[in-house]
Amino acid sequence: RKEVEQDPGPFNVPEGATVAFNCTYSNSASQSFFWYRQDCRKEPKLLMSVYSSGNEDGRFTAQLNRASQYISLLIRDSKLSDSATYLCVVRYNAGNMLTFGGGTRLMVKP
Amino acid sequence: GAVVSQHPSWVICKSGTSVKIECRSLDFQATTMFWYRQFPKQSLMLMATSNEGSKATYEQGVEKDKFLINHASLTLSTLTVTSAHPEDSSFYICSAKGTGNWELGQYFGPGTRLTVT
Repeated sequence: RKEVEQDPGPFNVPEGATVAFNCTYSNSASQSFFWYRQDCRKEPKLLMSVYSSGNEDGRFTAQLNRASQYISLLIRDSKLSDSATYLCVVRYNAGNMLTFGGGTRLMVKP
Repeated sequence: GAVVSQHPSWVICKSGTSVKIECRSLDFQATTMFWYRQFPKQSLMLMATSNEGSKATYEQGVEKDKFLINHASLTLSTLTVTSAHPEDSSFYICSAKGTGNWELGQYFGPGTRLTVT
């Protein structure tokens, strides 16, 4: 079983749609959680950190359920520019090593 | 925000040659740098963690004699792929962590695309 699992997609949605991505992690000692965005042939860029209380940044909402070891990302009012691969990332220890999920590909179409 | 650069951004080399990739933190001191590899349609896989002035720690399955990592200064780490073969063709990405406990984790370089013919 992979340490961080995501549905690879692709998710094909029309502009303006709401789309949700899920992620599960296996190590209950995980400390920090992030969503990164990666465009084709580019490096990952931090989209947002994920907090236990849930957090929102504009059209993006992240949720964390520690009991179920589950993380989600909700994108509202999808834009064409949201098309990318979204990576669920978990940090286990103070050494700051990150473990990446396989990514979920999103394609927003006109 | 913090900036990490990589050089070269793209390299093509012949099988059997060695390739050096540089990772630099431009506006902060990176006590720890990480090297990742990403094959097409796969996620990033951590290859090794390097701390300035000490030997790198390699992940299981990564040959330390093939992937030489040097982190001689607080702003520069290098990855040398020795005797490269076509199966080493991949996207190599470094990331850096500065001093202190950065909640946001690591800052990534733009990546180096290696093609071995």
